[in-house]
Amino acid sequence: AQKVTQAQTEISVVEKEDVTLDCVYETRDTTYYLFWYKQPPSGELVFLIRRNSFDEQNEISGRYSWNFQKSTSSFNFTITASQVVDSAVYFCALSEYDGGATNKLIFGTGTLLAVQP
Amino acid sequence: EADIYQTPRYLVIGTGKKITLECSQTMGHDKMYWYQQDPGMELHLIHYSYGVNSTEKGDLSSESTVSRIRTEHFPLTLESARPSHTSQYLCASSEFLGVSSYEQYFGPGTRLTVT
Repeated sequence: AQKVTQAQTEISVVEKEDVTLDCVYETRDTTYYLFWYKQPPSGELVFLIRRNSFDEQNEISGRYSWNFQKSTSSFNFTITASQVVDSAVYFCALSEYDGGATNKLIFGTGTLLAVQP
Repeated sequence: EADIYQTPRYLVIGTGKKITLECSQTMGHDKMYWYQQDPGMELHLIHYSYGVNSTEKGDLSSESTVSRIRTEHFPLTLESARPSHTSQYLCASSEFLGVSSYEQYFGPGTRLTVT
Protein backbone atom coordinates (compact mmCIF):
# COMPACT_ATOMS: atom_id res chain seq x y z
CA ALA A 1 0.00 0.00 0.00
CA GLN A 2 1.15 3.53 -0.65
CA LYS A 3 1.35 6.08 2.11
CA VAL A 4 2.94 9.45 2.80
CA THR A 5 3.75 10.59 6.32
CA GLN A 6 4.51 14.15 7.31
CA ALA A 7 5.05 13.85 11.03
CA GLN A 8 5.41 17.59 11.64
CA THR A 9 1.95 19.13 11.87
CA GLU A 10 3.15 22.66 12.57
CA ILE A 11 6.52 24.36 12.61
CA SER A 12 7.20 27.91 13.74
CA VAL A 13 10.51 29.64 13.01
CA VAL A 14 11.86 33.14 13.07
CA GLU A 15 12.78 34.80 9.80
CA LYS A 16 16.23 33.86 8.45
CA GLU A 17 16.26 30.53 10.24
CA ASP A 18 16.70 27.36 8.19
CA VAL A 19 13.88 24.85 8.40
CA THR A 20 13.50 21.25 7.20
CA LEU A 21 10.16 19.66 6.46
CA ASP A 22 10.17 15.87 6.70
CA CYS A 23 8.44 13.44 4.36
CA VAL A 24 8.51 9.65 4.62
CA TYR A 25 6.78 7.48 2.05
CA GLU A 26 5.77 3.85 1.58
CA THR A 27 5.39 2.09 -1.73
CA ARG A 28 5.93 -1.36 -3.19
CA ASP A 29 6.64 -0.03 -6.66
CA THR A 30 10.16 0.44 -7.94
CA THR A 31 9.09 3.32 -10.18
CA TYR A 32 7.29 6.19 -8.55
CA TYR A 33 7.24 9.97 -8.29
CA LEU A 34 7.48 12.28 -5.31
CA PHE A 35 6.21 15.83 -5.19
CA TRP A 36 6.20 18.85 -2.96
CA TYR A 37 3.42 21.43 -3.17
CA LYS A 38 2.99 24.73 -1.36
CA GLN A 39 -0.47 25.92 -0.30
CA PRO A 40 -0.53 29.59 0.75
CA PRO A 41 -3.50 31.04 2.66
CA SER A 42 -5.22 31.80 -0.66
CA GLY A 43 -5.76 28.05 -1.05
CA GLU A 44 -4.25 27.08 -4.38
CA LEU A 45 -1.65 24.32 -4.61
CA VAL A 46 1.62 25.50 -6.08
CA PHE A 47 3.88 22.87 -7.59
CA LEU A 48 7.44 23.02 -6.23
CA ILE A 49 9.24 19.90 -7.39
CA ARG A 50 8.85 16.40 -8.80
CA ARG A 51 11.45 13.71 -8.23
CA ASN A 52 11.53 10.36 -10.05
CA SER A 53 12.44 7.24 -8.08
CA PHE A 54 15.35 6.45 -10.36
CA ASP A 55 16.92 9.87 -9.89
CA GLU A 56 18.35 10.24 -6.40
CA GLN A 57 20.21 13.45 -7.07
CA ASN A 58 19.45 16.16 -4.58
CA GLU A 59 18.20 19.42 -5.97
CA ILE A 60 18.64 23.05 -5.07
CA SER A 61 16.51 25.89 -6.34
CA GLY A 62 17.40 29.22 -4.77
CA ARG A 63 16.65 28.96 -1.05
CA TYR A 64 14.91 25.62 -1.51
CA SER A 65 16.63 22.23 -1.48
CA TRP A 66 15.41 18.68 -1.48
CA ASN A 67 17.10 15.56 -0.10
CA PHE A 68 15.84 12.30 -1.60
CA GLN A 69 17.06 9.11 0.10
CA LYS A 70 15.60 5.82 -1.10
CA SER A 71 17.40 3.91 1.66
CA THR A 72 15.25 5.63 4.27
CA SER A 73 12.23 6.30 2.00
CA SER A 74 12.47 10.00 2.71
CA PHE A 75 12.13 13.13 0.62
CA ASN A 76 12.87 16.07 2.90
CA PHE A 77 12.55 19.73 1.99
CA THR A 78 14.77 22.46 3.41
CA ILE A 79 14.21 26.19 3.23
CA THR A 80 17.34 28.21 3.88
CA ALA A 81 17.08 31.69 5.39
CA SER A 82 13.30 31.49 5.69
CA GLN A 83 11.13 34.49 4.90
CA VAL A 84 7.64 35.50 5.99
CA VAL A 85 6.40 34.76 2.45
CA ASP A 86 7.34 31.11 3.01
CA SER A 87 4.49 30.79 5.51
CA ALA A 88 2.13 28.20 4.08
CA VAL A 89 1.07 24.59 4.30
CA TYR A 90 3.48 22.28 2.51
CA PHE A 91 2.36 18.92 1.15
CA CYS A 92 4.45 15.96 0.14
CA ALA A 93 2.80 13.57 -2.34
CA LEU A 94 3.49 10.22 -3.99
CA SER A 95 2.38 8.81 -7.32
CA GLU A 96 3.09 5.24 -8.33
CA TYR A 97 3.95 4.58 -11.95
CA ASP A 98 1.12 2.85 -13.80
CA GLY A 99 2.18 3.55 -17.36
CA GLY A 100 0.53 6.92 -17.21
CA ALA A 101 -2.91 5.36 -16.80
CA THR A 102 -4.09 7.37 -13.82
CA ASN A 103 -1.26 9.49 -12.32
CA LYS A 104 -3.12 9.64 -8.99
CA LEU A 105 -1.47 11.48 -6.12
CA ILE A 106 -1.45 10.32 -2.52
CA PHE A 107 -0.88 13.24 -0.18
CA GLY A 108 0.62 13.53 3.24
CA THR A 109 -1.31 15.44 5.88
CA GLY A 110 0.70 18.59 5.33
CA THR A 111 2.98 20.72 7.50
CA LEU A 112 1.94 24.24 8.45
CA LEU A 113 5.01 26.47 8.41
CA ALA A 114 4.76 29.81 10.18
CA VAL A 115 7.67 32.20 9.70
CA GLN A 116 7.66 35.00 12.24
CA PRO A 117 9.23 38.37 11.38
CA GLU B 1 2.04 28.48 -15.16
CA ALA B 2 -0.93 26.14 -15.19
CA ASP B 3 -4.06 27.06 -17.16
CA ILE B 4 -6.69 25.42 -15.01
CA TYR B 5 -9.69 27.33 -13.72
CA GLN B 6 -12.34 26.76 -11.11
CA THR B 7 -15.56 28.62 -10.45
CA PRO B 8 -16.87 29.76 -8.13
CA ARG B 9 -13.94 30.39 -5.81
CA TYR B 10 -16.25 30.69 -2.81
CA LEU B 11 -19.80 29.41 -2.35
CA VAL B 12 -22.12 29.55 0.64
CA ILE B 13 -25.33 27.64 0.12
CA GLY B 14 -28.20 26.22 2.13
CA THR B 15 -28.87 22.57 2.86
CA GLY B 16 -30.68 20.68 0.13
CA LYS B 17 -29.59 22.83 -2.79
CA LYS B 18 -28.10 21.37 -5.95
CA ILE B 19 -24.71 22.77 -6.87
CA THR B 20 -22.19 22.35 -9.66
CA LEU B 21 -18.55 23.23 -9.26
CA GLU B 22 -16.89 24.08 -12.55
CA CYS B 23 -13.39 23.10 -13.62
CA SER B 24 -11.77 23.71 -16.97
CA GLN B 25 -8.28 23.48 -18.39
CA THR B 26 -6.83 24.74 -21.64
CA MET B 27 -3.78 22.48 -21.77
CA GLY B 28 -5.45 19.58 -23.57
CA HIS B 29 -4.71 17.14 -20.74
CA ASP B 30 -6.54 13.82 -20.88
CA LYS B 31 -6.51 13.18 -17.15
CA MET B 32 -8.42 15.29 -14.68
CA TYR B 33 -9.07 14.93 -10.97
CA TRP B 34 -11.14 16.23 -8.08
CA TYR B 35 -9.61 16.32 -4.62
CA GLN B 36 -11.47 17.20 -1.43
CA GLN B 37 -9.61 19.01 1.30
CA ASP B 38 -10.97 18.90 4.84
CA PRO B 39 -10.61 21.91 7.14
CA GLY B 40 -7.91 19.86 8.89
CA MET B 41 -5.82 20.04 5.71
CA GLU B 42 -5.81 16.45 4.36
CA LEU B 43 -6.36 16.08 0.62
CA HIS B 44 -8.23 13.08 -0.74
CA LEU B 45 -8.97 12.02 -4.31
CA ILE B 46 -12.73 11.73 -4.87
CA HIS B 47 -13.03 11.46 -8.68
CA TYR B 48 -10.82 11.16 -11.73
CA SER B 49 -11.15 10.87 -15.45
CA TYR B 50 -8.93 9.29 -18.09
CA GLY B 51 -10.55 11.21 -20.89
CA VAL B 52 -13.86 12.04 -22.50
CA ASN B 53 -16.72 9.84 -21.28
CA SER B 54 -14.55 8.09 -18.68
CA THR B 55 -14.92 8.76 -14.97
CA GLU B 56 -13.92 6.78 -11.91
CA LYS B 57 -14.42 7.14 -8.19
CA GLY B 58 -11.37 7.99 -6.14
CA ASP B 59 -10.01 6.75 -2.85
CA LEU B 60 -12.46 8.70 -0.68
CA SER B 61 -16.15 7.96 -1.04
CA SER B 62 -18.14 10.99 -2.08
CA GLU B 63 -21.81 11.71 -2.71
CA SER B 64 -20.85 13.98 -5.57
CA THR B 65 -20.92 13.01 -9.24
CA VAL B 66 -18.81 14.13 -12.18
CA SER B 67 -19.04 14.15 -15.95
CA ARG B 68 -16.52 14.50 -18.77
CA ILE B 69 -18.21 15.39 -22.02
CA ARG B 70 -15.39 17.58 -23.28
CA THR B 71 -11.66 17.21 -22.73
CA GLU B 72 -11.32 20.64 -21.18
CA HIS B 73 -14.29 20.49 -18.82
CA PHE B 74 -14.78 18.36 -15.67
CA PRO B 75 -17.68 19.61 -13.51
CA LEU B 76 -18.59 18.19 -10.11
CA THR B 77 -22.22 18.11 -8.94
CA LEU B 78 -23.85 17.70 -5.56
CA GLU B 79 -27.56 16.93 -5.97
CA SER B 80 -28.46 17.89 -2.40
CA ALA B 81 -25.86 19.75 -0.40
CA ARG B 82 -25.40 19.00 3.29
CA PRO B 83 -23.23 20.61 5.99
CA SER B 84 -20.93 17.56 5.83
CA HIS B 85 -20.02 18.64 2.28
CA THR B 86 -18.40 21.81 3.60
CA SER B 87 -14.84 21.60 2.33
CA GLN B 88 -12.42 22.91 -0.24
CA TYR B 89 -12.58 21.19 -3.61
CA LEU B 90 -9.48 21.23 -5.80
CA CYS B 91 -9.47 20.29 -9.45
CA ALA B 92 -6.30 19.09 -11.18
CA SER B 93 -5.13 17.87 -14.55
CA SER B 94 -2.07 15.95 -15.59
CA GLU B 95 0.06 15.17 -18.56
CA PHE B 96 2.23 12.08 -18.71
CA LEU B 97 5.17 12.70 -21.01
CA GLY B 98 6.94 9.42 -20.40
CA VAL B 99 8.37 7.56 -17.44
CA SER B 100 10.82 10.36 -16.70
CA SER B 101 8.46 13.28 -16.96
CA TYR B 102 5.02 13.89 -15.55
CA GLU B 103 3.31 16.93 -14.15
CA GLN B 104 0.07 17.52 -12.28
CA TYR B 105 -1.40 21.00 -12.08
CA PHE B 106 -4.03 22.32 -9.69
CA GLY B 107 -6.71 24.92 -9.99
CA PRO B 108 -7.25 27.61 -7.35
CA GLY B 109 -9.94 25.62 -5.53
CA THR B 110 -13.57 26.20 -4.52
CA ARG B 111 -14.34 26.76 -0.86
CA LEU B 112 -17.82 25.40 -0.26
CA THR B 113 -19.81 26.12 2.88
CA VAL B 114 -23.18 24.47 3.37
CA THR B 115 -25.31 26.03 6.08
